[in-house]
Amino acid sequence: EAQVTQNPRYLITVTGKKLTVTCSQNMNHEYMSWYRQDPGLGLRQIYYSMNVEVTDKGDVPEGYKVSRKEKRNFPLILESPSPNQTSLYFCASSLSGLGETQYFGPGTRLLVL
Amino acid sequence: EDQVTQSPEALRLQEGESSSLNCSYTVSGLRGLFWYRQDPGKGPEFLFTLYSAGEEKEKERLKATLTKKESFLHITAPKPEDSATYLCAVQTYSGGGADGLTFGKGTHLIIQP
Repeated sequence: EAQVTQNPRYLITVTGKKLTVTCSQNMNHEYMSWYRQDPGLGLRQIYYSMNVEVTDKGDVPEGYKVSRKEKRNFPLILESPSPNQTSLYFCASSLSGLGETQYFGPGTRLLVL
Repeated sequence: EDQVTQSPEALRLQEGESSSLNCSYTVSGLRGLFWYRQDPGKGPEFLFTLYSAGEEKEKERLKATLTKKESFLHITAPKPEDSATYLCAVQTYSGGGADGLTFGKGTHLIIQP
């Protein structure tokens, strides 16, 4: 089954404790992206990757890092999480870019205390 | 700054009562406009992509249209299972030639039996 998976689905952590949210897709997609969704603000793009070793900033990249060492994986790293990073995070992928159909993962709900 | 505004924020309809959702945009260079559906607790699900004014696309009870300033998602004879939040997003040319994607805040649609 074609899908985008994220882990963990729920995470409670404390300020400053480094964490990684994993994202994996099994569709051989080139384009992958991370979004955060907050009430009243909608979905905002954090980072995206056009292909292996190619990443770029979205609208709200501050406080986040990403890497794309393999085509299927695109982890999101929070080096020193802060409470304002409490949010619902989605990973998405598409065949070759935004113009293609994007498939979203199930989401990761993060609470930073 | 690119802006996407969706209206209304919420809409309650009776089953079978047709209506339209609006997505107006102010962007520097539109590459594409997307419609997604999002169910509670899930990631967005792709519905349509529109690229040029005058373009229309249909899927079951949904029809999306595009003008130079806005897009409409028409829902004909809706059923309760059409209840969801509908998101509009625009793909734009951002600085450096990279793609940007800006989402609206969504319209929360409820179809009552």
